[in-house]
Amino acid sequence: DAGVIQSPRHEVTEMGQEVTLRCKPISGHDYLFWYRQTMMRGLELLIYFNNNVPIDDSGMPEDRFSAKMPNASFSTLKIQPSEPRDSAVYFCASSGGGGWRGSYEQYFGPGTRLTVT
Amino acid sequence: SQQGEEDPQALSIQEGENATMNCSYKTSINNLQWYRQNSGRGLVHLILIRSNEREKHSGRLRVTLDTSKKSSSLLITASRAADTASYFCATDGRYGQNFVFGPGTRLSVLP
Repeated sequence: DAGVIQSPRHEVTEMGQEVTLRCKPISGHDYLFWYRQTMMRGLELLIYFNNNVPIDDSGMPEDRFSAKMPNASFSTLKIQPSEPRDSAVYFCASSGGGGWRGSYEQYFGPGTRLTVT
Repeated sequence: SQQGEEDPQALSIQEGENATMNCSYKTSINNLQWYRQNSGRGLVHLILIRSNEREKHSGRLRVTLDTSKKSSSLLITASRAADTASYFCATDGRYGQNFVFGPGTRLSVLP
C-alpha cells in the first residue's frame, strides 16, 4: 500500500483565496483524521470521520473551515476564505479502528505545507 | 486542551547513550501511544500501551506506564544519529479513537 496520500504537498496562496487540501486514506481504514501543526500550537486535531461520517469537529477553528468525506477513499479540507494565520502544516491520518479495543495506530500522510500571504 | 505533556521539551545526547522522555497526563486513559516525527515528515507510530499494561518493548524502545502517577516514559537505548526527531505521546480523548497529542520532546543525537 502507498500509505496515506495528501495533495498538494505545498500550497502558497493569497489571503482571501479558497484552499482545498486532499487526502486518500489507506484502503480498508475506517477512521480518518485531519490535524494542523504549528510551532505555537503544536499538533491539533481538527476533525475526524468514522465510516465517512464526521464524529467530532470541535477542533475546527471556525466556519471558514469545512471538511468532507464523500467516500471511503477520499476526503477534503477546505478553507474559505484563507487568512495568514491559517499558515501551517496540515496532516491527514487514517486508522483501522477495529472497535473499542481494536487497532488505534494512526498512519500519517506527508502533510501539506500551507502558506497564506 | 492538551492531555499529554512531554518532558523534557528538548534533549541532546551523544550517540550510544540512552534517551528517556516522559509524558504526564491529567485524566484516566484507556491507551497511550508514542509517535516519532522526523523533520518535515508525518508522524510515525512507535508503540501503544494499554492501561492494564505496565511495560512494553519494541526493539530498542521501552515504554512504561504508571497509571497511579498518570505518567509514561519512553526509553531509547543505544541511541543513533537516526533517532534524531521529535517524539510525541498521545492519549485517548472522549471517544476512544480521538487521540490528543502532547507538544513533543525534540531529541538530538550527536555523532
